[in-house]
Amino acid sequence: AQSVTQPDIHITVSEGASLELRCNYSYGATPYLFWYVQSPGQGLQLLLKYFSGDTLVQGIKGFEAEFKRSQSSFNLRKPSVHWSDAAEYFCAVGALGGKLIFGQGTELSVKP
Amino acid sequence: EAQVTQNPRYLITVTGKKLTVTCSQNMNHEYMSWYRQDPGLGLRQIYYSMNVEVTDKGDVPEGYKVSRKEKRNFPLILESPSPNQTSLYFCASSLGGRTIAVGKLFFGSGTQLSVL
Repeated sequence: AQSVTQPDIHITVSEGASLELRCNYSYGATPYLFWYVQSPGQGLQLLLKYFSGDTLVQGIKGFEAEFKRSQSSFNLRKPSVHWSDAAEYFCAVGALGGKLIFGQGTELSVKP
Repeated sequence: EAQVTQNPRYLITVTGKKLTVTCSQNMNHEYMSWYRQDPGLGLRQIYYSMNVEVTDKGDVPEGYKVSRKEKRNFPLILESPSPNQTSLYFCASSLGGRTIAVGKLFFGSGTQLSVL
């Protein structure tokens, strides 16, 4: 069965520091992978997606993610975090038949 | 402005009293879906619809009903709400078609439901 695991429930980083959020997936075929961000009181917004080609994908707000098939991972990165990046981040895998399976989410806090 | 609109934003009700949460999108999207968000569990799909008159169960459909009579609307119906349905609900839509298009979801702002 398809699944997505985000091992870190909560991460705190200092403003200006680099960030990496982990995502591991389980899926039998070539996965379609997504990262979403949810600001407090808001719905989710798509940050970036991967479905084929270059394994390093660029998204909005300076985020990037790297697909590593051998590790079944799709980790999200940002070189320098801004206070406005504080939010909850969700990794998701697209499955057949219109289903989208989300991970449990990682809450990011940013220290001044 | 392209958007997904959910109503109401907040709802408090009592066990057993039927309720409907409305969802409407103005982007002519084929695909629509309902999710519930609970702490520590992420988002779980309740129902989804690939097109008008086509609906399918997600991972947690028990206790919910949906209908898709028009392309723009996808209401979520709780016939007899129970306290375990207290949650934050999101409606989302996308162009549909291939999985990659399905994954590019546009979300509503959410409906916080409390069932007493």
